[in-house]
Order: sequence, then structure tokens, then C-alpha cells
Amino acid sequence: DAKTTQPTSMDCAEGRAANLPCNHSTISGNEYVYWYRQIHSQGPQYIIHGLKNNETNEMASLIITEDRKSSTLILPHATLRDTAVYYCIVRPYQAGTALIFGKGTTLSVSS
Amino acid sequence: NAGVTQTPKFRILKIGQSMTLQCTQDMNHNYMYWYRQDPGMGLKLIYYSVGAGITDKGEVPNGYNVSRSTTEDFPLRLELAAPSQTSVYFCASHKQTGGDEKLFFGSGTQLSVL
Repeated sequence: DAKTTQPTSMDCAEGRAANLPCNHSTISGNEYVYWYRQIHSQGPQYIIHGLKNNETNEMASLIITEDRKSSTLILPHATLRDTAVYYCIVRPYQAGTALIFGKGTTLSVSS
Repeated sequence: NAGVTQTPKFRILKIGQSMTLQCTQDMNHNYMYWYRQDPGMGLKLIYYSVGAGITDKGEVPNGYNVSRSTTEDFPLRLELAAPSQTSVYFCASHKQTGGDEKLFFGSGTQLSVL
């Protein structure tokens, strides 16, 4: 049970912002939202994570709604190299729990 | 640091054969995972370990065994290979730091069972 819902696929023009939504309506108070991406057949790569506040790093921004039931990953200026499968994962801070991946969103960036 | 290292990168097995997929990490991470990814699908958790001597089943453990005798190594054993185990296998690790762990993945082992 991945506990998240994401669109199967999305398209984005190169240079534009890519906004990837994730629904996690059953999230608990101690659960973090993580985003990973997988380019072609490589191992997944960590992007960003957050608990309550919006977060930004060199790769992306994470916007979490006030009720924490959904979030959006923003790639501000998508490039062709951002074409990948993006996974939104909810994980509690609890010893002995594991990261469970869902099916993710396939983002296609085109020129 | 080499990070998470998986061997072999590719392997072809005959039905009924056995093999061990190796995974080692040099980051002193206590958490280690094995995932499998079938073509066009997401990752499924096979087994994971929260430290040496401790392992637990994931979503799809049947047909696999693991051990964790050291912090660094987390081998995955297939005893009687079946075509349904044709997949790409990823090993991953992270350090338990209080809820904000970042998972590091190996480059994967592509396994075909014919």
C-alpha cells in the first residue's frame, strides 16, 4: 500500500516549469513526503522531502498543502534530462519502517 | 566513498538454478533494502534490514532469502529461479537519522530466468 496517488503521465515543454501533483489524503502527523525520480533504467535518485513546510533545494521545490493531504513537486525550468519517472512516497518516522514505492508519474519533457 | 555497489550487473539463469545477488555499501548505513522492478512497473520491496542481524519481509518476499551478518553487506539469495523472477534488482541503503533519510541506490542487477 503506497498511500499516494499520482497521475500516470505528464508532458512539459523544455524551459517551462513542471508541476507534479501527489495526493496523500491519509497522511499521518509524523509522516514525511519524499520525492524520488528514476531516469530510464538507473536506480532512483533522491530529489527532496518535507514534513509540513515548503522546501527548496538545487533540484526542485516541494509545496505541501496546509492540511498536508497533497503536495506538488516543482521543477522550475525543465530540461530534456528531467524526463523520468517521479515517485511520491509517504514515510513515517518510525524505527523499522521501509520506503514503499508506488507507480509514479512519467514526465516527458520535449523541445 | 563508492556508495552502494551491486554485483553482477547482468545474469542469465536457467529455471531451477540458484544464485546470490551481492550488495555492499561503505557509508555505514544501518538500513538496507532490496527492490525488484519488472518492465514498465514501479519498484516492489522484497526484503529490508534495519541493522546487522535483523531482516524483515517486504511486499514480495516469496522465492528470496536474505541475511545481514555485517553492516556493509546485504546479499539476496534466489534458491530455485523461476521465470517470474526475471526483473531488475536494486539494492539501496540509508542511515536512520530521525525521519529525513535519503535513500541511496545501487546501479541494479538485470536478471533473466529462462
